[in-house]
Amino acid sequence: NAGVTQTPKFQVLKTGQSMTLQCAQDMNHEYMSWYRQDPGMGLRLIHYSVGAGITDQGEVPNGYNVSRSTTEDFPLRLLSAAPSQTSVYFCASSSPYSGNTIYFGEGSWLTVV
Amino acid sequence: KQEVTQIPAALSVPEGENLVLNCSFTDSAIYNLQWFRQDPGKGLTSLLLIQSSQREQTSGRLNASLDKSSGRSTLYIAASQPGDSATYLCAVYDSWGKFQFGAGTQVVVTP
Repeated sequence: NAGVTQTPKFQVLKTGQSMTLQCAQDMNHEYMSWYRQDPGMGLRLIHYSVGAGITDQGEVPNGYNVSRSTTEDFPLRLLSAAPSQTSVYFCASSSPYSGNTIYFGEGSWLTVV
Repeated sequence: KQEVTQIPAALSVPEGENLVLNCSFTDSAIYNLQWFRQDPGKGLTSLLLIQSSQREQTSGRLNASLDKSSGRSTLYIAASQPGDSATYLCAVYDSWGKFQFGAGTQVVVTP
């Protein structure tokens, strides 16, 4: 009963480095999304996907890239890390066939120095 | 553009008091509204989901109401306990197929 799994949980990057945050769900959900959470700002949508092969930008997409080759996986790539990308990242999934309840991963704490 | 607001940003109550948390949204064309709890350094735990056709949902000491026409939802927590201390967030699932979150209300229940 894994739900939404994110890795890594913690990561420190140097400015300019690239990395990928992994996200996988085992609920066969169509919708997957990535959010970042910053103090006092709530969760902001970075990118989302409504199915394999379909992605779109959210509120704060700059500096991030996504792809959705399978229903289960939705990785988030930081192309060239900047200190402004220091944040907590959450992956989430949902499905209209389960009432659009949104399920979250445990979060990934990223620090860019 | 849908905007979700939660006021107050922080709340402190003595143990035993009822908690009332507010969530307002600007576009009433929503499919559902969900309340979450977040503990420090942790992810989000879903508490209650109210479909757009519903007026309220209850689970134990928690009751959430939804008034789409006025763009408001209220989460009531009866007889608060120190273990209820957390940040509570609401999110609306809107007609664009996206979830929009409020910034949350940080709750402290003092013994």
